Amino acid sequence: AQKVTQAQTEISVVEKEDVTLDCVYETRDTTYYLFWYKQPPSGELVFLIRRNSFDEQNEISGRYSWNFQKSTSSFNFTITASQVVDSAVYFCALSGNNFNKFYFGSGTKLNVKP
Amino acid sequence: GAVVSQHPSWVICKSGTSVKIECRSLDFQATTMFWYRQFPKQSLMLMATSNEGSKATYEQGVEKDKFLINHASLTLSTLTVTSAHPEDSSFYICSASGTSHNEQFFGPGTRLTVL
Repeated sequence: AQKVTQAQTEISVVEKEDVTLDCVYETRDTTYYLFWYKQPPSGELVFLIRRNSFDEQNEISGRYSWNFQKSTSSFNFTITASQVVDSAVYFCALSGNNFNKFYFGSGTKLNVKP
Repeated sequence: GAVVSQHPSWVICKSGTSVKIECRSLDFQATTMFWYRQFPKQSLMLMATSNEGSKATYEQGVEKDKFLINHASLTLSTLTVTSAHPEDSSFYICSASGTSHNEQFFGPGTRLTVL
C-alpha cells in the first residue's frame, strides 16, 4: 500500500530557529517519486522539490534542505534560519512511476513567530 | 514551470444549485487532469482522474453522478458539483500532467461554499 505519514501536525518556532519537518512513506514500487509542497493561507500549492527513488543525494536550496533516506523510508525537510514568511502548511507526497496518483501526507502546519 | 489556472477562485451558491469549476492548462497540453478536494485543516484527497476524451476514473467513495467531470480538450477539464449541499463546501484543486512531464502541476484552487 502507498502511504505518507507526517506525524507532526503543527510546529511552532521562533524566527531564525532551524526546523525539520518529518515525512515517512510506504510503497511497494521500486521506482517512485517524493515531493514537498508548501501551502500558504491562500491555498495554492507551491512546489518545492521532487526526488526520485534512485537519487539519495541530499539537496540544498538556499535555506531549504532535504534528507532522503531509503533505509528508513524518510524524506525530511529542514528550514534553516526560519522566517515568518515560512509559515504555511507543508505537504509531503508520493507518486509512482507514472505520476498518475499522488498520495499526500496529512500536512504539517508550521508557525514561525517573530 | 507549467501553469494551470482555475476559475472561479471562489464561489458561493445556494443549496440545490449546480456549480461548474474550470481547470485549464495554459502553456501545455494536459493529457491527464486530476481533481482533489481538501476540507479545512485536512490533506488533499484525490477525487478523480480524467484523460482527454475519456470518461473520468473516480476514487472509491466519490459519487460520479454528483461530481461530473469533463475533459473535452487537452487544455480544459471541468468539474460540476450537481445539486450542491453544505457538506460539499470545500477547497477543490485540480492538477494536470502532460506526456513529457514527470510531475503534476497544480491549479490555485477553488473555494466552494454552499449555503
